[in-house]
This record gives sequence, C-alpha cells and structure tokens, in this order.
Amino acid sequence: AQTVTQSQPEMSVQEAETVTLSCTYDTSENNYYLFWYKQPPSRQMILVIRQEAYKQQNATENRFSVNFQKAAKSFSLKISDSQLGDTAMYFCAFMKHTGTASKLTFGTGTRLQVTL
Amino acid sequence: AAGVIQSPRHLIKEKRETATLKCYPIPRHDTVYWYQQGPGQDPQFLISFYEKMQSDKGSIPDRFSAQQFSDYHSELNMSSLELGDSALYFCASSLGREETQYFGPGTRLLVL
Repeated sequence: AQTVTQSQPEMSVQEAETVTLSCTYDTSENNYYLFWYKQPPSRQMILVIRQEAYKQQNATENRFSVNFQKAAKSFSLKISDSQLGDTAMYFCAFMKHTGTASKLTFGTGTRLQVTL
Repeated sequence: AAGVIQSPRHLIKEKRETATLKCYPIPRHDTVYWYQQGPGQDPQFLISFYEKMQSDKGSIPDRFSAQQFSDYHSELNMSSLELGDSALYFCASSLGREETQYFGPGTRLLVL
C-alpha cells in the first residue's frame, strides 16, 4: 500500500515571501502521479499542480512549483510571492498507474497561514 | 468553465435514516470518484466508476452503495446512517481513468 507523509502540520509565511511545503511518499510502483491540492476555509478541494513520475522536469504553475526527487520519494511544493488567498490546507496526493480509475491517497495535510 | 455539481450541499438526517447524494461530473468526463472527509482528516476514497462500471473500491461500508448512470452522473446511497457517517462527501470527475481528478464542492452530511 502507498503512504503519503506531510511532516509539517502547520506553517506560516508573510505575504510576498516564499514557502516550501514538504511531502514524502512510499511506494514500490515505478509509474505514478503526484498532486498538490489546496483546501481553503470553504473546504473546496482545488488542484494546484500535477507531476507525472516518468517526467524528470519539475512541474510549474505560475507561482507554484514542485521539487520532485523520485529516488528520494520526495515531492515538495514551493509557493513564491505568497498571497493572502494562499491561506489553506495543502494536501499532497499519490495516484498509482493501474489502468483503472485509481484512487488518490492523501497525506494528512499542512495548514498554511499567510500573514501581512 | 463548468465544474462538478453535487447535490444537496447540506443534509441533516437522523440515525438509521437513508441518504442519497448526487454528483454531476464535468461535461465529457467519464470517470467519477467518491471520497469521505471527516472533521480534521484527509479525504478517504470510497469508490470509483469508469464508463458506468465500478472500477475501484476503497473502505466503503456495506451500508453504502453507488452507481453511475447512462448520463454519467453518479449517486451514493447511504442506509442505516450512523453518527460516524457525519462528514463532507466529495465527488470528483476526470476525463479518463488516470487523469487529474477535479472535485465538486462537497455535500456536508450531519447525522443526529
């Protein structure tokens, strides 16, 4: 079974600063996908970024980028120029490549607070 | 852009009652997933459907059943409700089986 670990329950960053959220995972699979989702106080689950394990290039989406280290099974999220609207719970998630409608396995989340 | 629609958004039930949650995927999406998120917890996978067939199954209680219909919408039926079923229930959809899952706003179920 796959496990996803987020070791930082809470983090705080000042507006306009950069913050990095950590995620490690454990799997014996070689083909898989990794995601970051954010859940603001509204509790909507919003996709932030996606990474395919077979791609060496790190994914980026505007102010959001990842550092994917496959050998170390690490998948951190960097948020640049933090904004108040980035305040949310951030979940790291893993999906196996199975050919079926595979589930997402989530970490326990990191609560990020962006302050003035 | 159209998003996943879930109804109802809020639901209050008594113990031992039955509840039906509905999910309308993003247009053209053929795959639907159901997740349960308890207070302060991460979402837990319940079940998924691809092209109207059950595809994967998680820790879904036997009291729960689900299906995907010909128009690709899905329903989660929950019977003999227990206090512990109180949670936020998400539906997600994707275009294909290993594509990004987009979540609906969730249905908040409270069992009294």
